[in-house]
Amino acid sequence: GENVEQHPSTLSVQEGDSAVIKCTYSDSASNYFPWYKQELGKRPQLIIDIRSNVGEKKDQRIAVTLNKTAKHFSLHITETQPEDSAVYFCAASGGNTPLVFGKGTRLSVIA
Amino acid sequence: KAGVTQTPRYLIKTRGQQVTLSCSPISGHRSVSWYQQTPGQGLQFLFEYFSETQRNKGNFPGRFSGRQFSNSRSEMNVSTLELGDSALYLCASSLGGPGGAGELFFGEGSRLTVL
Repeated sequence: GENVEQHPSTLSVQEGDSAVIKCTYSDSASNYFPWYKQELGKRPQLIIDIRSNVGEKKDQRIAVTLNKTAKHFSLHITETQPEDSAVYFCAASGGNTPLVFGKGTRLSVIA
Repeated sequence: KAGVTQTPRYLIKTRGQQVTLSCSPISGHRSVSWYQQTPGQGLQFLFEYFSETQRNKGNFPGRFSGRQFSNSRSEMNVSTLELGDSALYLCASSLGGPGGAGELFFGEGSRLTVL
């Protein structure tokens, strides 16, 4: 089955700096790669996703890149703000296979 | 539109007991997935139901089971509870149609403590 590795497990950045979180996946059949944000005590929520026919996708300060050949994808957050502090999860799935999550990255934005 | 509702939100059990958790998906969503969340292990997939059928199953022992009803509501059951079963159990619903995964909408979870 699919296996998703996520790095780093914790990340601290100064407010205004950029943050990058990287994930690798094992199943070459995976074609859907979402990112979820979970604030303290709250439910995970989708922030951005990308499908295998696209190499990059942006939404304001957030962008995701996908390299299918290398089987890795990354989340980029620019101009970080304190409200970006949360745990971020990457995930992967293909067709009707379940969404498999990485172990998460705890991002702290220091004001 | 109401979100995903999970009950109970908190519960405490002792080793050897069994527990049933309930999940009501967003109206119109036919897929319900269950995940176990523990510190450092992220979200581990338990199982997914679609139209009352288990479509996928994760690597959990047979003590973990689930079902889905005709109204798409789902329950999961854990029998013979162990200390290691203490976790936040998250339910997520999606449209779940054929052709690929889509956004999961999570409930707030049921936090289980096993003493």
